[in-house]
Amino acid sequence: QSVLTQPPSASGTPGQRVTIFCSGTSSNIGSNYVYWYQQLPGTAPKLLIYRNNQRPSGVPNRFSGSKSGTSASLAISGLRSEDEADYYCATWDDSPSGYVFGTGTKVTVL
Amino acid sequence: QSTLKESGPTLVKPTQTLTLTCTCSGFSLSTSGVGVGWIRQPPGKALEWLALIYWDDDKRYSSSLKSRLTITKDTSKNQVVLTMTNMDPVDTATYYCARGTDYGDYNLWGQGTLVTVSS
Repeated sequence: QSVLTQPPSASGTPGQRVTIFCSGTSSNIGSNYVYWYQQLPGTAPKLLIYRNNQRPSGVPNRFSGSKSGTSASLAISGLRSEDEADYYCATWDDSPSGYVFGTGTKVTVL
Repeated sequence: QSTLKESGPTLVKPTQTLTLTCTCSGFSLSTSGVGVGWIRQPPGKALEWLALIYWDDDKRYSSSLKSRLTITKDTSKNQVVLTMTNMDPVDTATYYCARGTDYGDYNLWGQGTLVTVSS
């Protein structure tokens, strides 16, 4: 019952740019920061982007985030085979209050 | 090096209460700005946020599960405990604990523990 909508899948060839979109509402994305998490197969999620567009130390600058209105996006440039994973957007929702995750997008490197 | 590790039963029966413990190391639960949350993921499905407790004992719960959840912390043991009552097979999932920050994100995750609900 995720309140943030993501496409179930996205794909690209090595070196390409892939963009994943996350759609929310005025009470969540429209009012709060967006975060992105990467989950490699069989592992725990890892923080990829915080506060809309900030990268934690160690995250390659191939990953970039942005937000506009009630939507957000994650772009992966110079796609690499190790980027094959599930990606989740997340944010706080003011009504009802709580942290919410997106439906998740599986990125496949062709 | 900071880490979190989940522990608890791998199998619970329907209607039972689940108790999970998150043991934190390398950082203190009493440090200003620190929080620890619980997130779960049913097999093959998306992440679902459950609860969060802050350094000052402020607590937040998922609105859909609030009546079944209790989150507490033991600062002396640097542990966070989550209880979930009236377990059902749909609660079968990998349960993660994660460190929350002032920025609103979860920047460090445990490895997760798979809990199966079955009679």
